[in-house]
Amino acid sequence: DQQVKQNSPSLSVQEGRISILNCDYTNSMFDYFLWYKKYPAEGPTFLISISSIKDKNEDGRFTVFLNKSAKHLSLHIVPSQPGDSAVYFCAASPTGANNLFFGTGTRLTVIP
Amino acid sequence: NAGVTQTPKFRVLKTGQSMTLLCAQDMNHEYMYWYRQDPGMGLRLIHYSVGEGTTAKGEVPDGYNVSRLKKQNFLLGLESAAPSQTSVYFCASSPFMGSPLHFGNGTRLTVT
Repeated sequence: DQQVKQNSPSLSVQEGRISILNCDYTNSMFDYFLWYKKYPAEGPTFLISISSIKDKNEDGRFTVFLNKSAKHLSLHIVPSQPGDSAVYFCAASPTGANNLFFGTGTRLTVIP
Repeated sequence: NAGVTQTPKFRVLKTGQSMTLLCAQDMNHEYMYWYRQDPGMGLRLIHYSVGEGTTAKGEVPDGYNVSRLKKQNFLLGLESAAPSQTSVYFCASSPFMGSPLHFGNGTRLTVT
């Protein structure tokens, strides 16, 4: 039973535009959320995180928004660049837990 | 620094054979993890370790054993491989609980 869901397997965006990747979760005990980026033949790399005490966290071109009542988070990339083309995984865990629960990933393609 | 290194990168096994996947990290991290990634599913935690000499079960531990005899190494063993264990295996490490994971580049295992 998938506790973290990424319902869009793929997304294509023009270079310079905004990319919005979505993630939903079902476990109300989750209070720490992360986004990872993965290139082919490489492991996932950490991108940005947010804890449940915040509703927004920003790092350069990347912003994560958290809507706890809707159990939904999103990653915004502005402006999108061709090098952002990768698979993006959403992950969540309860604070202090050792297990991260991952979504199935969204493949982002940024078209030059 | 190499970060997290996994060997081998690829392996093909016949049903019933055994093998060990090696993970090595040079960041002096306390925590280490083994995940598997299957099509249509997120990464799932197999086993983890919170320090040298300790191991614990994750979400999908059956059919696997692990050992952490040295802080920098985390071994994943398959005693009798089954086709259901065909997957991409990722090792990860982190300095403390709740910190973002650093992943290796994965091992693609096929069991025929």
